[in-house]
Amino acid sequence: DQQVKQNSPSLSVQEGRISILNCDYTNSMFDYFLWYKKYPAEGPTFLISISSIKDKNEDGRFTVFLNKSAKHLSLHIVPSQPGDSAVYFCAATGRTGTASKLTFGTGTRLQVTL
Amino acid sequence: KAGVTQTPRYLIKTRGQQVTLSCSPISGHRSVSWYQQTPGQGLQFLFEYFSETQRNKGNFPGRFSGRQFSNSRSEMNVSTLELGDSALYLCASSLVPQGGQTFFGQGTRLTVV
Repeated sequence: DQQVKQNSPSLSVQEGRISILNCDYTNSMFDYFLWYKKYPAEGPTFLISISSIKDKNEDGRFTVFLNKSAKHLSLHIVPSQPGDSAVYFCAATGRTGTASKLTFGTGTRLQVTL
Repeated sequence: KAGVTQTPRYLIKTRGQQVTLSCSPISGHRSVSWYQQTPGQGLQFLFEYFSETQRNKGNFPGRFSGRQFSNSRSEMNVSTLELGDSALYLCASSLVPQGGQTFFGQGTRLTVV
């Protein structure tokens, strides 16, 4: 049972435009969400996170939006740069039970073109 | 400060053998988690250790085991290797279990032939 889903395996965006990566979750016990970026042959790198008490968190070009009622979060990258090309994973965790481990989506490969 | 260090970076083993992978967390971090990454499967949680105790375990067979030492360093072991165990194995550390930011090592790429 995939509790964290990234339904788009890939996304191509032109340099300078906005990249929007989406993530859905099913476990209502999740209360903390993270986005990671991964280059080939490297471990994931933490990008940005959001707690369930917020609906938006911004850090430079990266903004994460959380819609708790829809169990949906998204990562916006503005403006997109070629160096942003990587696989992006969303992850979720909670305090108890089945939510108490960091659960990842299957990733979205972002390609930023010139 | 130094990041999460995993050794070795690459490993080739034959079916039936066993393998031990090592992870040194960020200094001060007491929680270590292990993940398996295969194409199309994302990162699958293996187990998490905190203060030398296994706190959480994913849905992997008993051939996968791990431990954590008093200095927070961790090892994972896979016995009776199968071809399907070929993957990138990632170790992650955090201050406390699932406590906010989790930092990953570069991984060990295991190939089973």
